[in-house]
Amino acid sequence: DAKTTQPPSMDCAEGRAANLPCNHSTISGNEYVYWYRQIHSQGPQYIIHGLKNNETNEMASLIITEDRKSSTLILPHATLRDTAVYYCIVRLSTSYGKLTFGQGTILTVHP
Amino acid sequence: NAGVTQTPKFQVLKTGQSMTLQCAQDMNHNSMYWYRQDPGMGLRLIYYSASEGTTDKGEVPNGYNVSRLNKREFSLRLESAAPSQTSVYFCASIDRTNTEAFFGQGTRLTVV
Repeated sequence: DAKTTQPPSMDCAEGRAANLPCNHSTISGNEYVYWYRQIHSQGPQYIIHGLKNNETNEMASLIITEDRKSSTLILPHATLRDTAVYYCIVRLSTSYGKLTFGQGTILTVHP
Repeated sequence: NAGVTQTPKFQVLKTGQSMTLQCAQDMNHNSMYWYRQDPGMGLRLIYYSASEGTTDKGEVPNGYNVSRLNKREFSLRLESAAPSQTSVYFCASIDRTNTEAFFGQGTRLTVV
């Protein structure tokens, strides 16, 4: 699986959009980008994933650059409950769900 | 619908003791996983079971054994616990589309 690079920490004001970047310059053509988050040492929670098109669900939006070497997770209206560690993971869809976690980005949402 | 349930939630062991961490899922998922998370680190894969009857090593399998008892249950055994195995252990399963992994709440293990 391709390696990812994320900033160690970010801050965001409550109600504003949180934009979390991820670099995955060695991604291969059949690898997907996944985002998970971990709130206060709970089990990680799936957020969203994509291959090359932008994706949106009820939690977030995922923007993948045209060359697929980087992506951005967008939480459109961050709340205090979004304070968590966010992990960007690249994997093959056929890798039986094996996830390689880096250290992620600690997002702190301030009042 | 409980999702992924792990027992126990907390455990303290003495060096050399053995124990089994239990994991069960009620979502009829084929694949199940055990991860460990050390302080300030991401999760690392210990073992996984792609389907009932199969198990494979992950990134950090040494000192552990697993059993896929049936489709619902996947246990992790420490035969002779060591302080280096102090960690938080997470069990997970993944849906049929191989997309969304569901995690348990973790077992916090301390080996003294």
